[in-house]
Amino acid sequence: AQTVTQSQPEMSVQEAETVTLSCTYDTSESNYYLFWYKQPPSRQMILVIRQEAYKQQNATENRFSVNFQKAAKSFSLKISDSQLGDTAMYFCAFMNGGSGNTGKLIFGQGTTLQVKP
Amino acid sequence: ETGVTQSPTHLIKTRGQQVTLRCSSQSGHNTVSWYQQALGQGPQFIFQYYREEENGRGNFPPRFSGLQFPNYSSELNVNALELDDSALYLCASTPRQGRRVGYTFGSGTRLTVV
Repeated sequence: AQTVTQSQPEMSVQEAETVTLSCTYDTSESNYYLFWYKQPPSRQMILVIRQEAYKQQNATENRFSVNFQKAAKSFSLKISDSQLGDTAMYFCAFMNGGSGNTGKLIFGQGTTLQVKP
Repeated sequence: ETGVTQSPTHLIKTRGQQVTLRCSSQSGHNTVSWYQQALGQGPQFIFQYYREEENGRGNFPPRFSGLQFPNYSSELNVNALELDDSALYLCASTPRQGRRVGYTFGSGTRLTVV
């Protein structure tokens, strides 16, 4: 069974600084997708960035980028130039991309990020 | 385009009662999933519906059931409520190729069972 682990329950960063959130996963599949979601106090889960396992190039979305290490099964999120609006809970998530895919996202336990002014 | 909308936003029920939660998927999205998120935890997959049929289910008992309608909206029904069912219930929708584009989530329904 696939698992996702986020080992940092809480993190803080000063505004305009850079922070990296860690995520490791376990799977025997070769075809899968990885996501980072942000959940602010409004509760809505917002997609931050996604990575397809067969792509070696790390995904980037403006201030957000990932370090995808497939052999190590690691998928960290780097937030550059942190802003107060980045304060939220961040979830790493895995989805099997094989033919038996049921659309199930497997989430980690989350990391609460606080950006300080 | 409108996003995913869920109703109600908050709900309080008594143990043993039944509850129905509703979700309107984002325009153009034909696949809907439901998740249960306990306080301080990551969401847990309940089930997914595509073309009005359940095509994936997580580790939840049969008293958790669902429906998808021709307009792709969906309902989550929970019978015989237990105290542990208290959680945030999230609905997510996607086009069929959701694994490539990701899922759009609603803001959830906060269910409290007393």
